[in-house]
Amino acid sequence: GAGVSQSPSNKVTEKGKDVELRCDPISGHTALYWYRQSLGQGLEFLIYFQGNSAPDKSGLPSDRFSAERTGGSVSTLTIQRTQQEDSAVYLCASSLPAGPYNEQFFGPGTRLTVL
Amino acid sequence: AQTVTQSQPEMSVQEAETVTLSCTYDTSESDYYLFWYKQPPSRQMILVIRQEAYKQQNATENRFSVNFQKAAKSFSLKISDSQLGDAAMYFCAYRSPRVSGAGSYQLTFGKGTKLSVIP
Repeated sequence: GAGVSQSPSNKVTEKGKDVELRCDPISGHTALYWYRQSLGQGLEFLIYFQGNSAPDKSGLPSDRFSAERTGGSVSTLTIQRTQQEDSAVYLCASSLPAGPYNEQFFGPGTRLTVL
Repeated sequence: AQTVTQSQPEMSVQEAETVTLSCTYDTSESDYYLFWYKQPPSRQMILVIRQEAYKQQNATENRFSVNFQKAAKSFSLKISDSQLGDAAMYFCAYRSPRVSGAGSYQLTFGKGTKLSVIP
């Protein structure tokens, strides 16, 4: 079956512009995670969705970052007024209903470059 | 908060040889889950192996095995009979069994080890 897909694959934007990154999880996966991977760093948790429950936004670095998940499926991560430090690879992952041993399946990521 | 440390930014191994990647973590929890992920140049993270802390037996998946030392909070990955396709970034990750925030089980990652395989 299809894996997690993300679009665009690469995004170059100018400082101060808004960007939207999209994630399409594996069908049937109710849990969805966004992570950020800055150069030379590990993955940093951003936000988590589980079904219709309120999202866990505890990892969002600032109020310029927001995300939504429509219909329990596709998710969009929005970064407003982008800054150069936002340049990173943004990875999305999905899993069956959240449990500590459930494998998270990752997408290929979106590489964001802020000029 | 839990932290994961990978002290080897880069490693290399000769094809067909064995290599061990190190990972240590810090936690006050007694039960948790540990993972090794592989990230090839395609950027897509792939689960290599996982270990439950309450299990004493080390996990094994084909050529991949772990050395889990709970008291030392160490979780190293051994790759046997290394192949060219093993070249990638390897990330060690920790997961708490408890929920945080609204109910997530987010992974806490180390900074990764870049593995090169020499033909």
